[in-house]
Amino acid sequence: NAGVTQTPKFQVLKTGQSMTLQCAQDMNHNSMYWYRQDPGMGLRLIYYSASEGTTDKGEVPNGYNVSRLNKREFSLRLESAAPSQTSVYFCASSEGGAPLHFGNGTRLTVT
Amino acid sequence: AQSVAQPEDQVNVAEGNPLTVKCTYSVSGNPYLFWYVQYPNRGLQFLLKYITGDNLVKGSYGFEAEFNKSQTSFHLKKPSALVSDSALYFCAVRDKGSGNTGKLIFGQGTTLQVKP
Repeated sequence: NAGVTQTPKFQVLKTGQSMTLQCAQDMNHNSMYWYRQDPGMGLRLIYYSASEGTTDKGEVPNGYNVSRLNKREFSLRLESAAPSQTSVYFCASSEGGAPLHFGNGTRLTVT
Repeated sequence: AQSVAQPEDQVNVAEGNPLTVKCTYSVSGNPYLFWYVQYPNRGLQFLLKYITGDNLVKGSYGFEAEFNKSQTSFHLKKPSALVSDSALYFCAVRDKGSGNTGKLIFGQGTTLQVKP
């Protein structure tokens, strides 16, 4: 049972490049989340999806877009990466209420 | 505005001694409160939550937390620390008014170091 799987684990981008972070969960959860983690700031919610076909903005959505492709998958896209988006990104899932299962993260560096 | 504070960047404890990791919160209405643990290069793991009811909440790995409404605190505790408890701990809060969206506000984290 894999839980929440994120790809890639590491990525280096140049300013202005685009990329998509992939997330998949195999627990049949309705809710999925994208967080970013920066030193000394805890985790901040970027976007979340309460169910298949719905998405909503979190605390720091600027510069990001998401797609809830189906119940399993929730992707995060950076259209034009900026150095301020250097961070560790976590995907999470739950049946609702609060994120309970997290992936192992994607470390993104934007130069 | 909602907020969560973890006043200690690091807590050091000797193995076998009791540990406390502090958390205070500020929300409108009654809070939902959570504790998570993060081991190096891993995602967060859910430890426990307080929704309503008994002020002492028991969670995973022998951890418990005490909700104190008058002090707006939700401190994480364990009677006897293990070296393997060394990790980064996060407190988080969700205002009931935000609905069942899972939108949490996280504290900045406290590093727990348990020494043999």
